Amino acid sequence: AQSVSQHNHHVILSEAASLELGCNYSYGGTVNLFWYVQYPGQHLQLLLKYFSGDPLVKGIKGFEAEFIKSKFSFNLRKPSVQWSDTAEYFCAVSPQGGFQKLVFGTGTRLLVSP
Amino acid sequence: EAQVTQNPRYLITVTGKKLTVTCSQNMNHEYMSWYRQDPGLGLRQIYYSMNVEATDKGDVPEGYKVSRKEKRNFPLILESPSPNQTSLYFCASSSDTGELFFGEGSRLTVL
Repeated sequence: AQSVSQHNHHVILSEAASLELGCNYSYGGTVNLFWYVQYPGQHLQLLLKYFSGDPLVKGIKGFEAEFIKSKFSFNLRKPSVQWSDTAEYFCAVSPQGGFQKLVFGTGTRLLVSP
Repeated sequence: EAQVTQNPRYLITVTGKKLTVTCSQNMNHEYMSWYRQDPGLGLRQIYYSMNVEATDKGDVPEGYKVSRKEKRNFPLILESPSPNQTSLYFCASSSDTGELFFGEGSRLTVL
């Protein structure tokens, strides 16, 4: 079974700072990768996903992520964060064709100070 | 509007009192799933369903039951709730793209 590690549990940034959240997974086969965001008091929603093709994926709200197969990583980036990006971010991975086995990381709580 | 609807959103109950959390989706998705979210543990899958009358255990199924009699509904049943089931529960659905659409969450406290 696959597993997902998010090493940063809490991140505090000032507005306009750059963001990079780490995500590493372990799985021997081909995977689908996701980043979900949970704003305070809300449900999770999809930020971006990678299935195949260009390893640099662009999502909503200026977020992007890069799949580096050799490092089993799918780090999330944003060049300049805003106060409204304060949220919890979850990386998730499933075997390709096996989305029912989607596994989430433990999440990274981001606080952006104005 | 495409959505996943859960009820109740908040519930306080006592140990042993059976309860059901309902989940309904209007996107004609075949796949539905239940997760619980606990601090420091992220989301863990309880049960999932690939289609009507097809359910399977996730990673933490103990103490829970589900049923899928209709495509749109996937209720989560706690036959005899215990305090360790105090958690935030999310229902989700998906087409075959793998992108999950989540409900608003149900915060359950078991005393």
